[in-house]
Amino acid sequence: GESVGLHLPTLSVQEGDNSIINCAYSNSASDYFIWYKQESGKGPQFIIDIRSNMDKRQGQRVTVLLNKTVKHLSLQIAATQPGDSAVYFCAENRVTSGTYKYIFGTGTRLKVLA
Amino acid sequence: SAVISQKPSRDICQRGTSLTIQCQVDSQVTMMFWYRQQPGQSLTLIATANQGSEATYESGFVIDKFPISRPNLTFSTLTVSNMSPEDSSIYLCSVEGAGGPLGGQHFGDGTRLSIL
Repeated sequence: GESVGLHLPTLSVQEGDNSIINCAYSNSASDYFIWYKQESGKGPQFIIDIRSNMDKRQGQRVTVLLNKTVKHLSLQIAATQPGDSAVYFCAENRVTSGTYKYIFGTGTRLKVLA
Repeated sequence: SAVISQKPSRDICQRGTSLTIQCQVDSQVTMMFWYRQQPGQSLTLIATANQGSEATYESGFVIDKFPISRPNLTFSTLTVSNMSPEDSSIYLCSVEGAGGPLGGQHFGDGTRLSIL
């Protein structure tokens, strides 16, 4: 079936380096994507989103890239900090039968090394 | 952004029993969602709960096992019925963002459920 998945389950990055978290999606009709951060014991927290009519969007220290040709999404975190340690999920907005829902990827755990 | 409160935050239950999880939002929202997150895994959508209509369940989830109420625009409940150890999970409530379908979701911190 259709899915949203990630390439790397765990990513270890040195503090101060840049992090790149990847996500592949399979539904070419999806028009909106979101990255979430989930810290231990917390619910997912919205980081940044991107619509399908864009290929790049920047926030504070974060950038999302969308490649619709290969159905790939990435989250780049600049100057990674210890507080960035968390699990990151991509989510795909899927419209069905007049409503919508979000399908989540498998998640990547980011570990920031001091 | 909306503030979502879930109760209880955690519970340990005996198999065969049922537990109702409450989700309260500090503003009126049309769409609310219930997710399950098994240990070390991603979020799986259980159902979408819109006020004034029956909840819409995803494949693999049925109303008899996970009845949902949505009495108004700020509140919803999810009941996990006749629990077994396989139901041990985190259950998360979320609401749509201000942008609707293009506004993401806001999540509560979840209910951590363990079944003995």
